[in-house]
Amino acid sequence: EIVLTQSPGTLSLSPGERATLSCRASQSVSSSYLAWCQQKPGQAPRLLIYGASSRATGIPDRFSGSGSGTDFTLTISRLEPEDFAVYYCQQSGNSPFTFGPGTRVDIK
Amino acid sequence: EVQLLESGGGLVQRGGSLRLSCAASGFTFTSDAMSWVRQAPGKGLEWVSTVSGSAGDTYYIDSVKGRFTVSRDNSKNTLYLQMNSLRAEDTAVYYCAGSAGHYYPFWVWGQGTTVTVSS
Repeated sequence: EIVLTQSPGTLSLSPGERATLSCRASQSVSSSYLAWCQQKPGQAPRLLIYGASSRATGIPDRFSGSGSGTDFTLTISRLEPEDFAVYYCQQSGNSPFTFGPGTRVDIK
Repeated sequence: EVQLLESGGGLVQRGGSLRLSCAASGFTFTSDAMSWVRQAPGKGLEWVSTVSGSAGDTYYIDSVKGRFTVSRDNSKNTLYLQMNSLRAEDTAVYYCAGSAGHYYPFWVWGQGTTVTVSS
């Protein structure tokens, strides 16, 4: 099983600041199978990034993804009020599919 | 509008059974693999099971193998999860999610249905 580790666990930032979230895999993951999703309290997750760096439909360009192998990054260039949420990375290249524990981005 | 609507959750005793349903609309249901992902209270996301678009292939996390059965009725655009021998650790919100194929990301998610297993 591929274990995904996310850091930091919590990121406290102000609107307008840049957020950098990390996802590290216990073994190499093809970039094609690395995704990021966002979850707000009481809501279902929403796909943000797939294939490590492609934005899903309707996702603003302040969200970007990068990385390869075992290290991946989600960057939010300028935080908007609606971006404060929990972010999960997920790999779908090896079964069982696994998610990271999440990074909470909250308002400083 | 693309939509997934889960139903069937509830309170059940340990060892009991429950069947979840997920009704899809607004997209070509038969083209997508469909999955169940759960989230225990205050915890992260855990993939549970996937069925291919044709329903010919099914996949499960080890902890539910032999207890849960995923299926779909493409004539009704509906996904199911039959859960037997339920355990306290199965308590979670269960989301259905669609993907272009088994190894593709989950591009559409339902709002979830809550399963509580009492001990």
